[in-house]
Amino acid sequence: DQQVKQNSPSLSVQEGRISILNCDYTNSMFDYFLWYKKYPAEGPTFLISISSIKDKNEDGRFTVFLNKSAKHLSLHIVPSQPGDSAVYFCAASVSNYQLIWGAGTKLIIKP
Amino acid sequence: NAGVTQTPKFQVLKTGQSMTLQCAQDMNHNSMYWYRQDPGMGLRLIYYSASEGTTDKGEVPNGYNVSRLNKREFSLRLESAAPSQTSVYFCASTPERAVPYEQYFGPGTRLTVT
Repeated sequence: DQQVKQNSPSLSVQEGRISILNCDYTNSMFDYFLWYKKYPAEGPTFLISISSIKDKNEDGRFTVFLNKSAKHLSLHIVPSQPGDSAVYFCAASVSNYQLIWGAGTKLIIKP
Repeated sequence: NAGVTQTPKFQVLKTGQSMTLQCAQDMNHNSMYWYRQDPGMGLRLIYYSASEGTTDKGEVPNGYNVSRLNKREFSLRLESAAPSQTSVYFCASTPERAVPYEQYFGPGTRLTVT
């Protein structure tokens, strides 16, 4: 039973355009949602997070939106750059120590 | 400041062999974690240690044991490796009272069990 789902295994976007990565969840008790970025042969690195009491959080080119009624969050990257090509994971916290992870979306930025 | 380091980077084991994956962090973090990542799946928590001297099971602990040797080091042991344990293993750590649970990851150990 996947509590956090990323339904798009991959996404291709033109450089300079907006990239939108999506994530759905089933557990309404999640209190924080996080996005991580992962390059090949490296560990994931933290990108941005949002509390369940907020609906938007912005950090530079990255914005995360949370729609609690739809149990859906999205990560917007504007403008997309070649260095953004990576696998993006959505994760949700169930406690201080446990994150539930989505399967990831591979983002490819085309020049 | 090396962050989170893991050894080895790659390992091939035969079924039934044992090995220990090592993890160390130099950021003075309290909490440490072991995950596995399989193709097409997200990271799954094997064990975690909220602080030195404590360990707890995560989502997929069967077939593994852990030791929190001190604040810096957290090792993962496979006593009798099975092909189902072929995976990439990541160690992570979190500062005390970190919100929102930001975890810092090592580069991973790619383990193949034949």
